[in-house]
Amino acid sequence: GNSVTQMEGPVTLSEEAFLTINCTYTATGYPSLFWYVQYPGEGLQLLLKATKADDKGSNKGFEATYRKETTSFHLEKGSVQVSDSAVYFCALNSGGGADGLTFGKGTHLIIQP
Amino acid sequence: GAVVSQHPSWVICKSGTSVKIECRSLDFQATTMFWYRQFPKQSLMLMATSNEGSKATYEQGVEKDKFLINHASLTLSTLTVTSAHPEDSSFYICSALDWRGAEDTQYFGPGTRLTVL
Repeated sequence: GNSVTQMEGPVTLSEEAFLTINCTYTATGYPSLFWYVQYPGEGLQLLLKATKADDKGSNKGFEATYRKETTSFHLEKGSVQVSDSAVYFCALNSGGGADGLTFGKGTHLIIQP
Repeated sequence: GAVVSQHPSWVICKSGTSVKIECRSLDFQATTMFWYRQFPKQSLMLMATSNEGSKATYEQGVEKDKFLINHASLTLSTLTVTSAHPEDSSFYICSALDWRGAEDTQYFGPGTRLTVL
């Protein structure tokens, strides 16, 4: 079956630090890969996605590249801000849009001023 | 972006009672909605796929008679936890599939915290 493994937090960084949150997956076929973010008190929001190998998803300064050879989709940002503090979920979907998502456990990111 | 709401945001009930949770797509029609369950410090687990006008598809291990799903309109899906017990206490999250763009996207509700006493 499908599974997603991501680094567990909390991850605490200072403002303007470089961020990497690791995510690896196991899936049949060719899954689509996603990063979702959950700010305190809010629902999950799609941050970025990639649908095929070597695609790079990007949004709000965050990037992640679909690496089929290493089955990874690591999230990166060059300079984090306090407002980036949230829980980040890596997820995949192997059956197209009509299938539910398989999520990692989430990584709590804390950015200190 | 599209907006999905859930009601209630939190509910406390006695063991043995039933609780209904609503999931609404506010500004788009969703033929497909999903229900997830999240335990503390754990990932979201897909419970079922809800399709408008047809029976829901449940994931392996999810009791369909306990977690009743009704998707009676293009903007509303409901999850009823029947005869709730303390082990059903959890955070329930729904999502709705938006087909309008070039690529389909799931939009999530804010979740419902269920506590069974």
